[in-house]
Amino acid sequence: AQRVTQPEKLLSVFKGAPVELKCNYSYSGSPELFWYVQYSRQRLQLLLRHISRESIKGFTADLNKGETSFHLKKPFAQEEDSAMYYCALSGHYGKLTFGQGTILTVHP
Amino acid sequence: EAQVTQNPRYLITVTGKKLTVTCSQNMNHEYMSWYRQDPGLGLRQIYYSMNVEATDKGDVPEGYKVSRKEKRNFPLILESPSPNQTSLYFCASSLEGMGGYTFGSGTRLTVV
Repeated sequence: AQRVTQPEKLLSVFKGAPVELKCNYSYSGSPELFWYVQYSRQRLQLLLRHISRESIKGFTADLNKGETSFHLKKPFAQEEDSAMYYCALSGHYGKLTFGQGTILTVHP
Repeated sequence: EAQVTQNPRYLITVTGKKLTVTCSQNMNHEYMSWYRQDPGLGLRQIYYSMNVEATDKGDVPEGYKVSRKEKRNFPLILESPSPNQTSLYFCASSLEGMGGYTFGSGTRLTVV
Protein backbone atom coordinates (compact mmCIF):
# COMPACT_ATOMS: atom_id res chain seq x y z
CA ALA A 1 0.00 0.00 0.00
CA GLN A 2 1.14 3.52 -0.65
CA ARG A 3 0.75 6.17 2.01
CA VAL A 4 1.71 9.80 2.48
CA THR A 5 1.88 11.52 5.84
CA GLN A 6 2.07 15.24 6.46
CA PRO A 7 2.42 15.57 10.22
CA GLU A 8 1.59 19.28 10.45
CA LYS A 9 -1.95 20.45 9.71
CA LEU A 10 -1.02 24.08 10.31
CA LEU A 11 2.26 25.94 9.97
CA SER A 12 2.76 29.62 10.67
CA VAL A 13 5.88 31.64 9.92
CA PHE A 14 6.77 35.28 9.50
CA LYS A 15 7.68 36.82 6.18
CA GLY A 16 11.35 36.30 5.41
CA ALA A 17 11.71 33.30 7.70
CA PRO A 18 12.66 29.86 6.39
CA VAL A 19 9.89 27.35 6.00
CA GLU A 20 9.88 23.56 5.85
CA LEU A 21 6.78 21.49 5.22
CA LYS A 22 7.28 17.87 6.18
CA CYS A 23 6.26 14.86 4.13
CA ASN A 24 6.92 11.19 4.76
CA TYR A 25 5.86 8.34 2.55
CA SER A 26 5.46 4.59 2.52
CA TYR A 27 5.82 2.68 -0.73
CA SER A 28 7.38 -0.62 -1.70
CA GLY A 29 8.75 0.44 -5.08
CA SER A 30 10.51 3.51 -6.45
CA PRO A 31 8.19 6.43 -5.77
CA GLU A 32 7.43 9.45 -7.86
CA LEU A 33 6.80 12.33 -5.48
CA PHE A 34 5.15 15.67 -5.95
CA TRP A 35 4.12 18.80 -4.13
CA TYR A 36 0.85 20.44 -5.04
CA VAL A 37 -0.38 23.85 -3.88
CA GLN A 38 -3.93 25.10 -3.50
CA TYR A 39 -4.40 28.84 -3.08
CA SER A 40 -7.61 30.08 -1.55
CA ARG A 41 -10.65 29.05 -3.63
CA GLN A 42 -8.51 27.82 -6.51
CA ARG A 43 -7.78 24.47 -8.05
CA LEU A 44 -4.77 22.39 -7.10
CA GLN A 45 -1.64 23.20 -9.04
CA LEU A 46 1.48 21.15 -9.42
CA LEU A 47 4.30 22.94 -7.59
CA LEU A 48 7.18 20.59 -8.22
CA ARG A 49 8.12 16.97 -8.85
CA HIS A 50 11.19 15.26 -7.52
CA ILE A 51 12.38 13.82 -10.82
CA SER A 52 12.80 17.24 -12.37
CA ARG A 53 14.85 18.55 -9.43
CA GLU A 54 13.75 22.07 -10.26
CA SER A 55 12.96 25.02 -8.04
CA ILE A 56 9.58 26.69 -8.40
CA LYS A 57 8.78 29.99 -6.69
CA GLY A 58 11.88 29.46 -4.57
CA PHE A 59 10.68 26.09 -3.23
CA THR A 60 12.82 22.98 -3.36
CA ALA A 61 12.31 19.42 -2.18
CA ASP A 62 14.80 16.61 -1.88
CA LEU A 63 13.86 12.96 -1.89
CA ASN A 64 15.52 11.13 0.99
CA LYS A 65 14.97 7.43 0.41
CA GLY A 66 16.67 6.45 3.64
CA GLU A 67 14.28 8.51 5.71
CA THR A 68 11.41 8.08 3.19
CA SER A 69 10.88 11.82 3.23
CA PHE A 70 10.25 14.56 0.70
CA HIS A 71 10.19 17.77 2.70
CA LEU A 72 9.39 21.07 0.97
CA LYS A 73 11.66 24.00 1.80
CA LYS A 74 11.96 27.68 1.07
CA PRO A 75 14.67 29.87 2.60
CA PHE A 76 12.63 33.09 2.75
CA ALA A 77 8.84 32.81 2.96
CA GLN A 78 6.61 35.41 1.30
CA GLU A 79 3.04 36.36 2.18
CA GLU A 80 1.84 35.08 -1.19
CA ASP A 81 3.09 31.62 -0.21
CA SER A 82 0.14 31.28 2.17
CA ALA A 83 -1.84 28.31 0.88
CA MET A 84 -2.64 24.65 1.43
CA TYR A 85 0.22 22.35 0.43
CA TYR A 86 -0.20 18.69 -0.41
CA CYS A 87 2.50 16.10 -0.77
CA ALA A 88 1.60 13.30 -3.19
CA LEU A 89 3.00 9.97 -4.30
CA SER A 90 2.41 8.36 -7.67
CA GLY A 91 2.55 4.59 -7.59
CA HIS A 92 1.20 1.74 -9.61
CA TYR A 93 -1.03 2.44 -12.62
CA GLY A 94 -0.99 6.18 -12.05
CA LYS A 95 -2.62 6.01 -8.63
CA LEU A 96 -1.84 9.32 -6.95
CA THR A 97 -2.09 9.35 -3.17
CA PHE A 98 -2.15 12.61 -1.22
CA GLY A 99 -1.23 13.48 2.31
CA GLN A 100 -3.72 15.31 4.52
CA GLY A 101 -2.27 18.68 3.61
CA THR A 102 -0.58 21.49 5.52
CA ILE A 103 -2.01 24.98 5.69
CA LEU A 104 0.85 27.45 5.54
CA THR A 105 0.27 30.96 6.81
CA VAL A 106 2.94 33.58 6.29
CA HIS A 107 2.47 36.60 8.51
CA PRO A 108 3.68 40.07 7.49
CA GLU B 1 -6.34 26.11 -23.66
CA ALA B 2 -5.35 22.80 -22.06
CA GLN B 3 -7.72 22.11 -19.21
CA VAL B 4 -9.89 19.79 -17.18
CA THR B 5 -13.51 20.89 -17.08
CA GLN B 6 -15.97 19.82 -14.42
CA ASN B 7 -19.66 20.49 -14.33
CA PRO B 8 -21.52 21.66 -12.40
CA ARG B 9 -19.41 23.84 -10.12
CA TYR B 10 -22.06 23.81 -7.41
CA LEU B 11 -24.86 21.34 -6.78
CA ILE B 12 -27.41 20.96 -4.02
CA THR B 13 -29.51 17.82 -4.14
CA VAL B 14 -31.68 15.63 -1.95
CA THR B 15 -30.89 12.24 -0.52
CA GLY B 16 -31.46 9.43 -2.98
CA LYS B 17 -31.71 11.46 -6.16
CA LYS B 18 -29.25 10.13 -8.71
CA LEU B 19 -26.74 12.63 -10.06
CA THR B 20 -23.78 12.77 -12.40
CA VAL B 21 -20.80 15.10 -12.26
CA THR B 22 -19.11 15.39 -15.62
CA CYS B 23 -15.39 15.69 -16.25
CA SER B 24 -13.75 16.33 -19.58
CA GLN B 25 -10.13 16.93 -20.60
CA ASN B 26 -8.79 18.20 -23.91
CA MET B 27 -5.18 17.08 -23.54
CA ASN B 28 -5.53 13.50 -24.80
CA HIS B 29 -4.49 12.27 -21.36
CA GLU B 30 -4.76 8.56 -20.64
CA TYR B 31 -5.05 8.74 -16.87
CA MET B 32 -7.99 10.33 -15.09
CA SER B 33 -9.02 10.34 -11.48
CA TRP B 34 -11.67 11.56 -9.05
CA TYR B 35 -10.94 12.89 -5.56
CA ARG B 36 -13.00 14.27 -2.73
CA GLN B 37 -11.61 16.91 -0.42
CA ASP B 38 -12.85 17.13 3.15
CA PRO B 39 -11.56 19.31 6.03
CA GLY B 40 -8.95 17.48 8.06
CA LEU B 41 -8.89 14.53 5.68
CA GLY B 42 -7.19 16.09 2.69
CA LEU B 43 -7.74 14.61 -0.76
CA ARG B 44 -8.93 11.05 -1.00
CA GLN B 45 -9.08 9.15 -4.25
CA ILE B 46 -12.47 7.75 -5.24
CA TYR B 47 -11.76 6.06 -8.59
CA TYR B 48 -9.12 6.28 -11.24
CA SER B 49 -8.82 5.22 -14.85
CA MET B 50 -5.76 4.15 -16.81
CA ASN B 51 -7.45 4.32 -20.22
CA VAL B 52 -10.75 3.76 -21.98
CA GLU B 53 -12.71 0.95 -20.32
CA ALA B 54 -10.01 0.59 -17.64
CA THR B 55 -11.00 1.82 -14.18
CA ASP B 56 -10.13 0.85 -10.64
CA LYS B 57 -11.22 1.72 -7.13
CA GLY B 58 -9.38 4.28 -5.12
CA ASP B 59 -9.46 4.60 -1.36
CA VAL B 60 -13.12 5.63 -0.89
CA PRO B 61 -15.17 4.14 -3.74
CA GLU B 62 -18.31 3.25 -1.78
CA GLY B 63 -21.41 4.98 -3.08
CA TYR B 64 -19.80 6.06 -6.35
CA LYS B 65 -19.59 4.73 -9.89
CA VAL B 66 -17.53 5.84 -12.87
CA SER B 67 -17.27 5.01 -16.54
CA ARG B 68 -14.67 5.69 -19.20
CA LYS B 69 -16.23 5.10 -22.58
CA GLU B 70 -14.25 7.86 -24.28
CA LYS B 71 -10.74 9.02 -23.56
CA ARG B 72 -11.72 12.60 -22.83
CA ASN B 73 -14.64 11.97 -20.45
CA PHE B 74 -14.74 10.46 -16.97
CA PRO B 75 -18.10 11.08 -15.29
CA LEU B 76 -18.71 10.45 -11.60
CA ILE B 77 -22.09 8.93 -10.78
CA LEU B 78 -23.83 8.92 -7.42
CA GLU B 79 -26.72 6.47 -7.75
CA SER B 80 -28.27 7.28 -4.38
CA PRO B 81 -26.50 10.25 -2.76
CA SER B 82 -26.39 10.52 1.01
CA PRO B 83 -25.45 13.47 3.26
CA ASN B 84 -22.02 11.96 4.00
CA GLN B 85 -21.18 12.51 0.33
CA THR B 86 -21.39 16.25 0.82
CA SER B 87 -17.92 17.33 -0.21
CA LEU B 88 -15.72 19.15 -2.70
CA TYR B 89 -14.93 16.92 -5.66
CA PHE B 90 -11.99 17.24 -8.02
CA CYS B 91 -11.34 15.54 -11.32
CA ALA B 92 -7.77 15.29 -12.61
CA SER B 93 -5.95 13.93 -15.62
CA SER B 94 -2.38 12.99 -16.49
CA LEU B 95 -0.58 12.00 -19.66
CA GLU B 96 1.64 9.27 -18.31
CA GLY B 97 0.22 8.46 -14.93
CA MET B 98 3.52 8.67 -13.16
CA GLY B 99 3.65 12.36 -13.90
CA GLY B 100 1.88 15.34 -12.53
CA TYR B 101 -1.87 15.66 -12.76
CA THR B 102 -3.88 18.62 -14.03
CA PHE B 103 -6.88 19.36 -11.85
CA GLY B 104 -10.32 20.72 -12.59
CA SER B 105 -11.84 23.63 -10.68
CA GLY B 106 -13.88 21.41 -8.40
CA THR B 107 -17.55 20.64 -7.80
CA ARG B 108 -19.04 21.52 -4.45
CA LEU B 109 -21.81 19.02 -3.73
CA THR B 110 -24.30 19.33 -0.90
CA VAL B 111 -26.69 16.47 -0.19
CA VAL B 112 -29.59 17.34 2.12
